[in-house]
Amino acid sequence: NAGVTQTPKFQVLKTGQSMTLQCAQDMNHEYMSWYRQDPGMGLRLIHYSVGAGITDQGEVPNGYNVSRSTTEDFPLRLLSAAPSQTSVYFCASNNVYSEYNEQFFGPGTRLTVL
Amino acid sequence: RKEVEQDPGPFNVPEGATVAFNCTYSNSASQSFFWYRQDCRKEPKLLMSVYSSGNEDGRFTAQLNRASQYISLLIRDSKLSDSATYLCVVNRGGGADGLTFGKGTHLIIQP
Repeated sequence: NAGVTQTPKFQVLKTGQSMTLQCAQDMNHEYMSWYRQDPGMGLRLIHYSVGAGITDQGEVPNGYNVSRSTTEDFPLRLLSAAPSQTSVYFCASNNVYSEYNEQFFGPGTRLTVL
Repeated sequence: RKEVEQDPGPFNVPEGATVAFNCTYSNSASQSFFWYRQDCRKEPKLLMSVYSSGNEDGRFTAQLNRASQYISLLIRDSKLSDSATYLCVVNRGGGADGLTFGKGTHLIIQP
């Protein structure tokens, strides 16, 4: 199993550009989530999905869109990038039926918005 | 009171020493608790869950005190490879939206 994969690893955008961060998992997990991690802020939930076709907002959803057309994929779209969206983005998945509710994270995408 | 609070450190500890750090949480209805480890520029990974009766995994011991609303992590005989950031995670129930991550405690083990 590859686990959770994310592309790209690094990205530099100019203000106003749009892009999609890709995330895929091969563990057949129903739950998938997007987090951003900023220095001194910890991990904050952007959007999450409890299954294909179902998404919901997390703590910091503004400026981001998601869709979940398949169990495996959960892309995150930045509509019009802003410098405040410079961050490290982690995608995660988990098995809701697991006793531990363990989150499996992808390796992250480091995004800089100029 | 913030939902999940941790001392950010850094904790500078000599190799072989014992180190402990705590995490406090504000939601008394929280259901489950975890410690994650995050290496520099890497993703967080589950270190251990925290059970009500306390639990041990090798050199690591986790404790939960519901009355005082804190969890702790004790590392014995620390190794250089233990250097990392340790994230306290509290689950109030449900899926990912029920998880709150602490900002992490940075541990540096010195030779």
